[in-house]
Amino acid sequence: DVKVTQSSRYLVKRTGEKVFLECVQDMDHENMFWYRQDPGLGLRLIYFSYDVKMKEKGDIPEGYSVSREKKERFSLILESASTNQTSMYLCAITGGRGGSTGELFFGEGSRLTVL
Amino acid sequence: QKEVEQDPGPLSVPEGAIVSLNCTYSNSAFQYFMWYRQYSRKGPELLMYTYSSGNKEDGRFTAQVDKSSKYISLFIRDSQPSDSATYLCAMRLSGGYNKLIFGAGTRLAVHP
Repeated sequence: DVKVTQSSRYLVKRTGEKVFLECVQDMDHENMFWYRQDPGLGLRLIYFSYDVKMKEKGDIPEGYSVSREKKERFSLILESASTNQTSMYLCAITGGRGGSTGELFFGEGSRLTVL
Repeated sequence: QKEVEQDPGPLSVPEGAIVSLNCTYSNSAFQYFMWYRQYSRKGPELLMYTYSSGNKEDGRFTAQVDKSSKYISLFIRDSQPSDSATYLCAMRLSGGYNKLIFGAGTRLAVHP
């Protein structure tokens, strides 16, 4: 079974705090993604990484950064949390570049509340 | 206009009903079409995928893609309370890094 583990399921932070969300996979997949999910907006891609130390911006990267120092670990960083970053954050992985189904395997999500 | 439009519902049906969930899209270059199911407080999981046009059936679930109309559907026959979840459509271009574009999700409740 594919395992994508998000270390924190529920977090409450204050405005201006630095927030780290961690994602670890056990499948040796190249591609890792961070999405946020909001009611009525669906899943929106924040950043993705196709290799160690490689990253690309998604559709809504503003206010976020990422780090991928090891293949199995992809971190999402909120440098200075704001209330509009209150959301469900989902990490996902997939293997290979194109030509496959593109199936994403998701973690269980990290629900972040910024007060 | 969003690239992928999906009615958020909620949709409430009695057990045993046939459910139809739909998405429309604007990018005619999309080639891979998927349906994800997401239970409350869980991450989405892949339910069905279809490449290009046509139908695909898996048990009680049928996925249809009509590229000429830019319209995809998921049908659930003999719906069960365990089907109660949010259903997200997703699609992508051929090639690339598997960047999926998601619909907003439709919340379905099947009551006994």
